[in-house]
Amino acid sequence: QVQLVQSGAEVEKPGASVKVSCKASGYTFIDYYIHWVRQAPGQGLEWMGWINPKTGGTQYAQKFRGRVTMTRDKSITTAYMQLNSLRSDDTDDTAVYYCSREIYSRGNYYFDYWGPGTPVTVSS
Amino acid sequence: EIVLTQSPGTLSLSPGERATLSCRASQSVSSSYLGWYQQKPGQAPRLLIYGASNRATGIPDRFSGSGSGTDFSLTISRLEPEDFAVYYCQQYGSSSWTFGQGTKVEIK
Repeated sequence: QVQLVQSGAEVEKPGASVKVSCKASGYTFIDYYIHWVRQAPGQGLEWMGWINPKTGGTQYAQKFRGRVTMTRDKSITTAYMQLNSLRSDDTDDTAVYYCSREIYSRGNYYFDYWGPGTPVTVSS
Repeated sequence: EIVLTQSPGTLSLSPGERATLSCRASQSVSSSYLGWYQQKPGQAPRLLIYGASNRATGIPDRFSGSGSGTDFSLTISRLEPEDFAVYYCQQYGSSSWTFGQGTKVEIK
């Protein structure tokens, strides 16, 4: 069965970096894009970007360009999301970070499997 | 970036009632990229509907999606206790995925 298992909760100081992992199993890792979506406390879902595990190609949401890096290690079927220069002000990065698998089927694109989420707290 | 606006923000209904949730896009969206997700507290989102009107695997037939262009809707024909949750629409366009702000369906 398809599973996305994420790394554990993180607490970081403002200005630091965080790297979250997402280990995929139960399917061919390189055949499906992995997306990262975050959710601040009590807020909605915010798309951050995707990585193509086959090529390593990425696309990031405008808001995160220059601060986020998505990578993967095909040998261990794991995707990573690193966010730099963490903030705890009005543009707080404190959130739950989810990875999700994108599937293309019969002309449609959607996110069919999600990881459980990794809470990241930014606090001095 | 295409903006999705969901309405209402909160829907207060009783079990057994019908729920109709709206998702309006700031410009036309391809139905191929329009999805609906359900999220319960402390859980990851769960895919309900893809391609605007196709139920995902294992989703009960009381859930249905419709619409095209800029106006889409999710209907729950008869609310079950487990359906009280937050619902998000999602789309892809202009090289970016976006989500609506969500509609909370709460018990009246």
